[in-house]
Amino acid sequence: QQQVKQSPQSLIVQKGGISIINCAYENTAFDYFPWYQQFPGKGPALLIAIRPDVSEKKEGRFTISFNKSAKQFSLHIMDSQPGDSATYFCAASSRTGYALNFGKGTSLLVTP
Amino acid sequence: GAVVSQHPSRVICKSGTSVKIECRSLDFQATTMFWYRQFPKQSLMLMATSNEGSKATYEQGVEKDKFLINHASLTLSTLTVTSAHPEDSSFYICSAGPLGGNQPQHFGDGTRLSIL
Repeated sequence: QQQVKQSPQSLIVQKGGISIINCAYENTAFDYFPWYQQFPGKGPALLIAIRPDVSEKKEGRFTISFNKSAKQFSLHIMDSQPGDSATYFCAASSRTGYALNFGKGTSLLVTP
Repeated sequence: GAVVSQHPSRVICKSGTSVKIECRSLDFQATTMFWYRQFPKQSLMLMATSNEGSKATYEQGVEKDKFLINHASLTLSTLTVTSAHPEDSSFYICSAGPLGGNQPQHFGDGTRLSIL
């Protein structure tokens, strides 16, 4: 059973545009929400993470927005670049360092 | 920092062979490591939690006699796929986080296992 639902499955954005990926969860015990970026043939790399006590976290061009009451969180990639083309996974766990429950992933293509 | 190394990166072998995959934390110690499995264009599914000095904890539906896990030190966990068959072909990825808890997990670059 997928504990974290992610959408869209795929996304095409023009260079310079904003990429937005959404995730939703049901388990209120989740307390840690990271986003990972994965290139073909590689393991996931941690991009940015948030805990429920804040509503937004920004690191460079990447921003997580978190809505605790709606049990939703999203990743915004500003000024998207072709090098951002990859698969993005949202995840959740009951604590940092615990096993992660992953969304199904979003394949992002940024066109020149 | 927080580098996780996996070896080998790719294995191709015949059906019935047992294959061992190593996961090492290079610059930190980890009492817990995690093993995931990923099919093409799909998400990562947790297989088991590897605990240093004790038995691994397997997720429902994962055969513990098929996927043997050993976590003999604070920097090394191994996954052995015993008597592998074509349906075991997949991308196996490990992760670990530094001791002390509350640290994010870092992933290895995975092992592509192909069983002929």
